[in-house]
Amino acid sequence: QKEVEQNSGPLSVPEGAIASLNCTYSDRGSQSFFWYRQYSGKSPELIMSIYSNGDKEDGRFTAQLNKASQYVSLLIRDSQPSDSATYLCAGANTGNQFYFGTGTSLTVIP
Amino acid sequence: KAGVTQTPRYLIKTRGQQVTLSCSPISGHRSVSWYQQTPGQGLQFLFEYFSETQRNKGNFPGRFSGRQFSNSRSEMNVSTLELGDSALYLCASSLSLAEAGELFFGEGSRLTVL
Repeated sequence: QKEVEQNSGPLSVPEGAIASLNCTYSDRGSQSFFWYRQYSGKSPELIMSIYSNGDKEDGRFTAQLNKASQYVSLLIRDSQPSDSATYLCAGANTGNQFYFGTGTSLTVIP
Repeated sequence: KAGVTQTPRYLIKTRGQQVTLSCSPISGHRSVSWYQQTPGQGLQFLFEYFSETQRNKGNFPGRFSGRQFSNSRSEMNVSTLELGDSALYLCASSLSLAEAGELFFGEGSRLTVL
C-alpha cells in the first residue's frame, strides 16, 4: 500500500471555479502534510503545509486536514489558467520518511 | 540566494555502466534528499542525508548509493545501470530535517539508459 494516494485525474475546471484536490494517507502517525505544485518540465515547489486538523488558508489556497479520516485536501478558489499543473500531496510518516503521492493533473480552462 | 544546483542536467548511459549525480544545496541547508521521478511511479524517495549521515533510505536496490560531504553537497551513484533506471533524479534540500521542513528542489538530472 502506498503511503499517500491521490486521484491522478486529469481534473479540469473552468476559470474562476473552485478546484478540489484530494489525498489519503496510510500511516495514522503521520503528523505533517504538504502540497507541492509541479509545472510541466519543472521541479516541484511547495505551496502549502498543514500540521493540525482543520483548515489553513493562504490566498486562494486552502489546505484541509482530517486526521481521523486520514484525509488531506487542497482547494483552489478562483482558479486561473496559471494554476494548471500537477499537484503532489506529500507527508512525513512515523519513520521520518517523506512520501509523495503520484500527483493530480489539473487543467484550468479559460 | 542561489537555489539547489544539480549536475549534470542530462546524460545518456548504456546498460551496465555506472553514473554519479551531484547536488549542491542552498547555502545553509543541511538536509539533502534524493528522489526518482518516473511517469508511472511518481516521486519515489531514494535517501536523505543530514550532516553527512544517511538518515533514511527508500526501497531501492543497493545499486543506488549516496553520500554527503562536509559542505552539505551530495552525490548519488547508480551502478550497473538498467533500462528501468531511466528517470528524472531530483535533489531537494531543506534547512532542517526533511520531514519537518520545506523542500527546495533542483532542476533535476535526466538520465537515459540505452
